[in-house]
Amino acid sequence: KNEVEQSPQNLTAQEGEFITINCSYSVGISALHWLQQHPGGGIVSLFMLSSGKKKHGRLIATINIQEKHSSLHITASHPRDSAVYICAVRDDRGSGGGADGLTFGKGTHLIIQP
Amino acid sequence: NAGVTQTPKFQVLKTGQSMTLQCAQDMNHEYMSWYRQDPGMGLRLIHYSVGAGITDQGEVPNGYNVSRSTTEDFPLRLLSAAPSQTSVYFCASSYSRDIPSYEQYFGPGTRLTVT
Repeated sequence: KNEVEQSPQNLTAQEGEFITINCSYSVGISALHWLQQHPGGGIVSLFMLSSGKKKHGRLIATINIQEKHSSLHITASHPRDSAVYICAVRDDRGSGGGADGLTFGKGTHLIIQP
Repeated sequence: NAGVTQTPKFQVLKTGQSMTLQCAQDMNHEYMSWYRQDPGMGLRLIHYSVGAGITDQGEVPNGYNVSRSTTEDFPLRLLSAAPSQTSVYFCASSYSRDIPSYEQYFGPGTRLTVT
């Protein structure tokens, strides 16, 4: 079973700051997801990555498969970005990982102050 | 499309009671799953289904049953509720488990309290 670690656990920043959230995992994966959970509780998919880099608006996600590491960046952060950001991985079943479903990190609680 | 819907949003049960959490999706997704979210822990997989008539256990299946009689619906049954089942439950779906380039869609969650 994959072990997914996120850092930091909590992050408070000022509006406009550049934000980086990190995710590392222990065994090979076929995909990595970044999810956003707002205080109301709903979970929204931000990115699905299997290699390289993706960008959507002010959000950028990167993955380094060799180092088993991914980062989520937020540029020009805004109070509406305040949420819990969750990294989740799907094991590479072809490598014998076998775990079904996604394995989730515990999340990074981000607060952006005006 | 309504996406993934869950009912109820909130539920309080007494120990020993049974109930069914409903989940439905209208995207013709093959793969559906149930997760529970507890404070200080990541979401954990309870049960999943790769298509109508096919279900399997996840990481924490004890105390829960599922069935998948149609592509759209994937109900989760609590057989005899226990306080340890107090949690927030999320249903999720995606096009296919076996194609890496899929997106996960989550329902709004059901907050369950067992007293």
